[in-house]
Amino acid sequence: QLLLQESGPGLVKPSETLSLICTVSGGSISGSSFYWGWIRQPPGKGLEWIVNIYYGANTYYNPSLKSRVNISVDTSKNQFSLNLSSVTAADTAVYYCAVTLSWYDGHQHWGQGALVSVSS
Amino acid sequence: QPVLTQSSSASASLGSSVKLTCTLSSGHGTDIIAWHQQQPGKAPRYLMKLEGSGNYNKGSGIPDRFSGSTSGADRFLTISNLQSEDEADYYCETWDNKIRVFGGGTKLTVL
Repeated sequence: QLLLQESGPGLVKPSETLSLICTVSGGSISGSSFYWGWIRQPPGKGLEWIVNIYYGANTYYNPSLKSRVNISVDTSKNQFSLNLSSVTAADTAVYYCAVTLSWYDGHQHWGQGALVSVSS
Repeated sequence: QPVLTQSSSASASLGSSVKLTCTLSSGHGTDIIAWHQQQPGKAPRYLMKLEGSGNYNKGSGIPDRFSGSTSGADRFLTISNLQSEDEADYYCETWDNKIRVFGGGTKLTVL
């Protein structure tokens, strides 16, 4: 059973970079053919897909966020990370890491979520 | 890119059945979707993958009360014998070759 856990600062200043880490247990990122990703949910609103990475191959971005998003993988720690640059109050949200075992399916496993607020 | 449309809210009585709808945009009517449930204050939970044929595959531990069906561009989630814990937001998700999208979600109230 794959388990995912987000970690990172809960408060980021406007114009700075939001950074989150997702730690994976129950499976290896480097040994898998899965799509690891990030999804966010502003307070009281719906889900918004941000990015997915297929380790060692492709990265898939939400076009509206692509210019500000970076996703990376640390196989030594079995973690993957999200960086979102030049944040504004509109980036305040609960950020979920998640994984889908196939591109042609929904995200089957989700982290519990991390609330990140953007404020000075 | 695909667009998913969901009604913002639905309600049904305890013990009854409810059918939630997710509609695919034009040109994507044969597409596969997934359904997720988000109970208040919790992370989303994967319910099932639903194909255009109407075949569906549920996630581990999802009760038999949850089922899927299709009609044209509409993808349905039916919940039978509604329980209080079914009161939640329900989201559909789909994808094309490069991007993924979620519907706006339906808030289900169990009366």
